[in-house]
Amino acid sequence: DAGVTQSPTHLIKTRGQQVTLRCSPKSGHDTVSWYQQALGQGPQFIFQYYEEEERQRGNFPDRFSGHQFPNYSSELNVNALLLGDSALYLCASSFVGRNEQYFGPGTRLTVT
Amino acid sequence: QKEVEQNSGPLSVPEGAIASLNCTYSDRGSQSFFWYRQYSGKSPELIMFIYSNGDKEDGRFTAQLNKASQYVSLLIRDSQPSDSATYLCAVSKNFGNEKLTFGTGTRLTIIP
Repeated sequence: DAGVTQSPTHLIKTRGQQVTLRCSPKSGHDTVSWYQQALGQGPQFIFQYYEEEERQRGNFPDRFSGHQFPNYSSELNVNALLLGDSALYLCASSFVGRNEQYFGPGTRLTVT
Repeated sequence: QKEVEQNSGPLSVPEGAIASLNCTYSDRGSQSFFWYRQYSGKSPELIMFIYSNGDKEDGRFTAQLNKASQYVSLLIRDSQPSDSATYLCAVSKNFGNEKLTFGTGTRLTIIP
């Protein structure tokens, strides 16, 4: 049973650039949520996708956008990167109607 | 007041003893409660979830929920060095398709 996968593992970008992170949900799951985790903090909710639509959004600017594909995989895009965007980006998957969310290994983004 | 509060620790417990981790939340309408374990440099791993008042046991782990006091706890019996990690408490308002709000985590160290 394949778990949640994310790519890439690590990424280094320069301020002002754009980045795309990818996530494939756990087998059988159809809902994908994205979280940002700064060092020493708990994960912060960015947004959630179900049926290829953004269903909920946290307190993040429009520079953060996403997409969900028909196979339930998802992308997180961040434009105009800031130093403060440096964090671990986590994707979590779940099954509709259930709230147990399972995290992927994360993408460590460093903005210089 | 933070939505989800945890003592950041570190909490040191002798091997074989019971580790007790606590979490309080501010939204009285919260319905779902989760405990995640996060090893240093890794992503959070779901270890327990609880939806009803009372205790829920799974192996060496027991989650306890008291909605009247807005309090949820995690007990780890027969603590092992491999239990040394940061434990994150998460809360959501519904039973499905809802964002998770995390505390900052409690760092637990099991002393051999």
